[in-house]
Amino acid sequence: GAVVSQHPSWVICKSGTSVKIECRSLDFQATTMFWYRQFPKQSLMLMATSNEGSKATYEQGVEKDKFLINHASLTLSTLTVTSAHPEDSSFYICSARRTGSLNYGYTFGSGTRLTVV
Amino acid sequence: DAKTTQPPSMDCAEGRAANLPCNHSTISGNEYVYWYRQIHSQGPQYIIHGLKNNETNEMASLIITEDRKSSTLILPHATLRDTAVYYCIVTGGSNYKLTFGKGTLLTVNP
Repeated sequence: GAVVSQHPSWVICKSGTSVKIECRSLDFQATTMFWYRQFPKQSLMLMATSNEGSKATYEQGVEKDKFLINHASLTLSTLTVTSAHPEDSSFYICSARRTGSLNYGYTFGSGTRLTVV
Repeated sequence: DAKTTQPPSMDCAEGRAANLPCNHSTISGNEYVYWYRQIHSQGPQYIIHGLKNNETNEMASLIITEDRKSSTLILPHATLRDTAVYYCIVTGGSNYKLTFGKGTLLTVNP
């Protein structure tokens, strides 16, 4: 159990276009999901916390108007990279925590490799 | 979240136990210790977590010192597929975000 599906696994887009990444918890409900970004040879950097039915909470330095997060249901959060530029090229990873308790681990998606050309 | 300190890299021979240390001296009473690993270009994989007591599952064992200021992840019989970056993360209480440090690159050698 506790599977998180992330789609697409990779995407190439042109500069100036927008890209949407989906994160789904397949077999559990997730009130809270998290979005991370990872550059080559670096650790994961938390971008934002996505809360079902409310606005996301962004980490310091992350542009909320550029990285739009929507968490419309207990099983789906989306991250839209708007007006993408080459510097947005990165590995984006989502994570979901089962609703109710810290006694469950956080489950991660397999990541989305974004390349902006 | 409490800060964690891990060695940047470790080596282990295949078939031997891998013991990965983590210091978290500022951990507070309601914070858990989580361990994840990331194999190249994949999402992090949950390994184990604990609060006070030692924990064991099919993947690993987690030993937490009595004062909770450090812990050790034990992979009892390391295989080549265990080569990955291992992250020790402390979180809990009112702040339940998982914040990743640099982790330990474990290389299992044949």
